[in-house]
Amino acid sequence: SAVISQKPSRDICQRGTSLTIQCQVDSQVTMMFWYRQQPGQSLTLIATANQGSEATYESGFVIDKFPISRPNLTFSTLTVSNMSPEDSSIYLCSVEDPFDTLNTEAFFGQGTRLTVV
Amino acid sequence: GESVGLHLPTLSVQEGDNSIINCAYSNSASDYFIWYKQESGKGPQFIIDIRSNMDKRQGQRVTVLLNKTVKHLSLQIAATQPGDSAVYFCAETRNQGGKLIFGQGTELSVKP
Repeated sequence: SAVISQKPSRDICQRGTSLTIQCQVDSQVTMMFWYRQQPGQSLTLIATANQGSEATYESGFVIDKFPISRPNLTFSTLTVSNMSPEDSSIYLCSVEDPFDTLNTEAFFGQGTRLTVV
Repeated sequence: GESVGLHLPTLSVQEGDNSIINCAYSNSASDYFIWYKQESGKGPQFIIDIRSNMDKRQGQRVTVLLNKTVKHLSLQIAATQPGDSAVYFCAETRNQGGKLIFGQGTELSVKP
C-alpha cells in the first residue's frame, strides 16, 4: 500500500482567496487523482494528474478554478482559486497501488476539509 | 424542505448482526469494483474489491457480491461491530487506474 499525506488537514478561508493543498506519497506513482467530497455527499473526481503533462479535468471542473501541479512522481498540489462558500468541501488526493499492477485499487489521503466564509 | 443529496441512506443494525449494504453501479463496461469505508474526518479506506469475472469474493468478515446482469453490488459484513460504524461507498472503474466513479454512500450505524 501507499502512504499519502495531505496538507493542510483543514482550513477556514475568506471568499475570494486561494488555497493550495499538497499531497505527498511515500512511493513513486504514475497517476495521482484529486477528488472533491461536498458535505454529506459522495466523492467526485476533479482531475487526473500525470507527471510531466497537463492534468486532465473532468466535466464541470476547469484549470482556472482548480490548477494542479505535478512536479515529480511523489508530489502534487491542487489549488482552489477565488474561493466561494460553495467550494466548502473535503478535497482528497488518491493514488493507485504502486506495487500492484493487476489491480487498480486507489489509496486516499486523509483529506483537506475546507470551509469558505 | 429537504435538500437533495445531503442525506445519505442509513442502515442501523444491532451489534453482532449481519449487515448488507447495496449499491447500483452505472456503467455496464466497468470491470473492477471496490468497497470503501469512510470514518468521520478520514479519507476512504479500502475494504475489498472484485473483478467483473467474479460474482463473489470473501475477505475477513466481509463478502462482496456482484450481479452484472442488474449492475448491482453488495457488501455483507458478518457479526457487525461498533467499529464498523461509518459511511460505505462502492466505486467502479474500467481499466482506468485509480480513476473511480463513486456511488452515493450508505451510513452504517451499529447499536451496541
